[in-house]
Amino acid sequence: AQTVTQSQPEMSVQEAETVTLSCTYDTSENNYYLFWYKQPPSRQMILVIRQEAYKQQNATENRFSVNFQKAAKSFSLKISDSQLGDTAMYFCACYSGGGADGLTFGKGTHLIIQP
Amino acid sequence: DTAVSQTPKYLVTQMGNDKSIKCEQNLGHDTMYWYKQDSKKFLKIMFSYNNKELIINETVPNRFSPKSPDKAHLNLHINSLELGDSAVYFCASSQGDGFTDTQYFGPGTRLTVL
Repeated sequence: AQTVTQSQPEMSVQEAETVTLSCTYDTSENNYYLFWYKQPPSRQMILVIRQEAYKQQNATENRFSVNFQKAAKSFSLKISDSQLGDTAMYFCACYSGGGADGLTFGKGTHLIIQP
Repeated sequence: DTAVSQTPKYLVTQMGNDKSIKCEQNLGHDTMYWYKQDSKKFLKIMFSYNNKELIINETVPNRFSPKSPDKAHLNLHINSLELGDSAVYFCASSQGDGFTDTQYFGPGTRLTVL
């Protein structure tokens, strides 16, 4: 069974700072997909960024970028120039095939952006 | 316009009752999903469904059943509700027929079983 581990239950940074959320995973598959989802206080789940394991280039979406280290099975999320609206729970997820059993979420990191 | 909508937003009910949560997506997506988020914020996929097949997470009790009247709707029926069913339930949809595609989530339904 695959696992996704987010070792930081909570983080707090000042507005405009850069913050990195860590995620490690374990899967026996060679081809898989990694995701970061954001869940603000409104509870809505929103996809932040998506990475395909066979692509070596790190995915980037505006202020959000990932550091994908396939050998180390690490998939960290970097948020640059953090904003108050970035305050949310962030979930890392991995899909490695096999239907519903192949999708696993981490336990989340609660990120607080301080003014 | 809301892409993925769920009703009701909050649902409070007694143990043993049967209840349904409705989900609609106006994105024209092929696949819809149901997730459960427990009190510790842990997210678990319950079902995925498209016009070809229903994929069930084997850990989901058979008291839970998805019903799809058409491609735009996937409702969740829960029979004989238990205290442990209290959670937030999310509906989601995606363009393709697999978990590799970007999923768009509904706002969630907070279910409280008393």
